[in-house]
Amino acid sequence: EAGVTQFPSHSVIEKGQTVTLRCDPISGHDNLYWYRRVMGKEIKFLLHFVKESKQDESGMPNNRFLAERTGGTYSTLKVQPAELEDSGVYFCASSQERPGWDTGELFFGEGSRLTVL
Amino acid sequence: AQKVTQAQTEISVVEKEDVTLDCVYETRDTTYYLFWYKQPPSGELVFLIRRNSFDEQNEISGRYSWNFQKSTSSFNFTITASQVVDSAVYFCALSEATDSARQLTFGSGTQLTVLP
Repeated sequence: EAGVTQFPSHSVIEKGQTVTLRCDPISGHDNLYWYRRVMGKEIKFLLHFVKESKQDESGMPNNRFLAERTGGTYSTLKVQPAELEDSGVYFCASSQERPGWDTGELFFGEGSRLTVL
Repeated sequence: AQKVTQAQTEISVVEKEDVTLDCVYETRDTTYYLFWYKQPPSGELVFLIRRNSFDEQNEISGRYSWNFQKSTSSFNFTITASQVVDSAVYFCALSEATDSARQLTFGSGTQLTVLP
């Protein structure tokens, strides 16, 4: 079974440009999360989809970030325009159930490294 | 608000040594979940363990063991007889039951290097 896949693995862009990151969750997983790790700091929550609906986007840093999950399958995270402080690793994760007592293990992808010059 | 602290930024050990990675958490919830993830050089985050707040039993899985102590709000991770393949960044994380999104709050990670 394929795991969570993310594309691209690494993107280098200049300040002011636009980048779109894609995440394909594990098939059948309704819950999809975006996290990011900036400058070697802690990994921080960005947002959570349940199917195509945004359940919680409290972690999105500002309106330069737009996440979509049309059709409830893959998700995209667009940064427009990119700023230097957006550099980091963006992780996507999916789960069948929301993490809880004995269910809902989160499966993470390998991350998309974004470098903004 | 919840918080996870991993005070050890980097640790280096020689192969076969035991090593303990510290994790201290803060939460106001009485029901919560604690996690450890491993990030090898390939980049993905690999789930290691989930523990709920009502289960304080220590757990052992092969060379890995976890010590959960609510009295000190700690969830430490020990690798016995470390191996070079254990070299990775290890993250501790917390999820509160009252959070409907079950989002994870991560610590800043501990880079473990096991030298041959």
